[in-house]
Amino acid sequence: GQQLNQSPQSMFIQEGEDVSMNCTSSSIFNTWLWYKQDPGEGPVLLIALYKAGELTSNGRLTAQFGITRKDSFLNISASIPSDVGIYFCAGISNSGYALNFGKGTSLLVTP
Amino acid sequence: DAGVIQSPRHEVTEMGQEVTLRCKPISGHNSLFWYRQTMMRGLELLIYFNNNVPIDDSGMPEDRFSAKMPNASFSTLKIQPSEPRDSAVYFCASRIPGGTYNEQFFGPGTRLTVL
Repeated sequence: GQQLNQSPQSMFIQEGEDVSMNCTSSSIFNTWLWYKQDPGEGPVLLIALYKAGELTSNGRLTAQFGITRKDSFLNISASIPSDVGIYFCAGISNSGYALNFGKGTSLLVTP
Repeated sequence: DAGVIQSPRHEVTEMGQEVTLRCKPISGHNSLFWYRQTMMRGLELLIYFNNNVPIDDSGMPEDRFSAKMPNASFSTLKIQPSEPRDSAVYFCASRIPGGTYNEQFFGPGTRLTVL
């Protein structure tokens, strides 16, 4: 599958701070998905993006599908302790079905 | 609605033993995926079924791995014989029918330890 570069690898922030993470690809994708994984659980879908330039929100989370179709970012506003976990980006190429995952961003939030 | 169901949640076995992992996709979903997650390689697709038919098994690491989907509500991933390097978390995911939406929903995973 295609290589996805997800950054940062980890973040350690204080409660109330905003968070931003991003994902870039060497290939064009027609779908970007953002997942959160808690310890011992499966990835949970947070946001799905289907159009270049699309900006979508889900509560305190906002994600955008980059204009070049090779990147996406996820922002979390006013972080809280339950935001702790690993966030994964995943992309699907045109006419594809397989999720190509980034390596994940580990987020730690201190009260 | 119930999500993707996987069993067992944890499996510890000895090298050489047969291991069978089970998955029940979300009702109405016609695509099913098996993934493996390790620290070194992250999440990797093993096999993809559409309407119970294997479409892409290029991610299956070796002949020791096999997967079946006898009906729309059940799939198995079998490793025989198992080896320590197979230790990982195995996830099953399902997707709604139709070409527009690519959202995959994951089960809780099976943590496999091969001693």
